[in-house]
Amino acid sequence: AQSVTQLGSHVSVSEGALVLLRCNYSSSVPPYLFWYVQYPNQGLQLLLKYTTGATLVKGINGFEAEFKKSETSFHLTKPSAHMSDAAEYFCAVMAKAAGNKLTFGGGTRVLVKP
Amino acid sequence: GAVVSQHPSRVICKSGTSVKIECRSLDFQATTMFWYRQFPKKSLMLMATSNEGSKATYEQGVEKDKFLINHASLTLSTLTVTSAHPEDSSFYICSASFSEGHSPLHFGNGTRLTVT
Repeated sequence: AQSVTQLGSHVSVSEGALVLLRCNYSSSVPPYLFWYVQYPNQGLQLLLKYTTGATLVKGINGFEAEFKKSETSFHLTKPSAHMSDAAEYFCAVMAKAAGNKLTFGGGTRVLVKP
Repeated sequence: GAVVSQHPSRVICKSGTSVKIECRSLDFQATTMFWYRQFPKKSLMLMATSNEGSKATYEQGVEKDKFLINHASLTLSTLTVTSAHPEDSSFYICSASFSEGHSPLHFGNGTRLTVT
């Protein structure tokens, strides 16, 4: 079984400040990990993913995430928030043994203050 | 550009009627498509996995007779909400995978269903 916990359903940051979104996972097998962004009334867009190899993963729009196996975490960061980063962010885990199904965290809504 | 097209983006229907939502992969053949439901301010809940040429695999608690899924070709899967009721109102999102492993990377833009 696999599960994802996102700490904080809402995060408020000032424009230009660091964005940090926390994600912890549980998986019985080595996981694949993902971060997606969702804008209002739209589908999900992949920000980045970790499968194997380098544990620091860079994605689109200046985001990056680090896979830490010892902490079962995959936190998402961006050094400097932009107004356009205001959206809902979802962390997700997939174990190939689970038939490539994604399990999503509860989501974190990011508000960017000018 | 979008690689998964979902249609319609919004639909309003009367209680008791059926609604069909289409999900198309545009530039690739999708052997597997996934259907999700998202409640307001909530995360995505996987409803079913749609496999081309075979029956869909439904998640526990999802009524297969209510949510009919058809994946007749490698580029099209449909979700039909039968005898819709107001509690079926939700945001439905499909996604498609073009390769084994590494996720359903491409999501449609979702369909907002409102049942009156």
